[in-house]
Amino acid sequence: GAVVSQHPSRVICKSGTSVKIECRSLDFQATTMFWYRQFPKQSLMLMATSNEGSKATYEQGVEKDKFLINHASLTLSTLTVTSAHPEDSSFYICSAASDVADYTFGSGTRLTVV
Amino acid sequence: GEDVEQSLFLSVREGDSSVINCTYTDSSSTYLYWYKQEPGAGLQLLTYIFSNMDMKQDQRLTVLLNKKDKHLSLRIADTQTGDSAIYFCADYKAAGNKLTFGGGTRVLVKP
Repeated sequence: GAVVSQHPSRVICKSGTSVKIECRSLDFQATTMFWYRQFPKQSLMLMATSNEGSKATYEQGVEKDKFLINHASLTLSTLTVTSAHPEDSSFYICSAASDVADYTFGSGTRLTVV
Repeated sequence: GEDVEQSLFLSVREGDSSVINCTYTDSSSTYLYWYKQEPGAGLQLLTYIFSNMDMKQDQRLTVLLNKKDKHLSLRIADTQTGDSAIYFCADYKAAGNKLTFGGGTRVLVKP
């Protein structure tokens, strides 16, 4: 089946630095990828929809300058958390659509900002 | 609105059946999904059902959909300790091309 690889799985960074998270579709091309944030014991919150070759569509309340999304190819989307602060600590998950309404999720990235 | 709601917690004995319930508000939902999340991991698709179906069975999993009441359920037969996890239901709408998730139901299987 479809596989989505997300790296790193865990990262600790200092406050004020930037962190990049990669999401790759390994065996299919994904024109659309999605980035979610999940707080402890809560559901997934959609942050943005990443479209190959165009600007990402951000959900209301998500700072586009804070969470930079790049979807340079049909198999790779990246999320960069810029000038990270402790409140950005969270679990970030990407997903890719291999077909209409057929979503595959990455294994998630645990970000801790100290 | 685009609400999807689930009960927070379910405790079940090993070998019994588990039933996880979900309600949604948007009648334009075309697909409804059940995902499983284990601690520190991503989401694993368990099963999905088209909105024009009433039931779908896949091994130990049975999904029931009551479209009139906008109610979805997932039944896990012969629940095992490995089934302990958080289960999310989600609905998909073509307009918007995105999933809306429920809050998740934490299932605890006791030996």
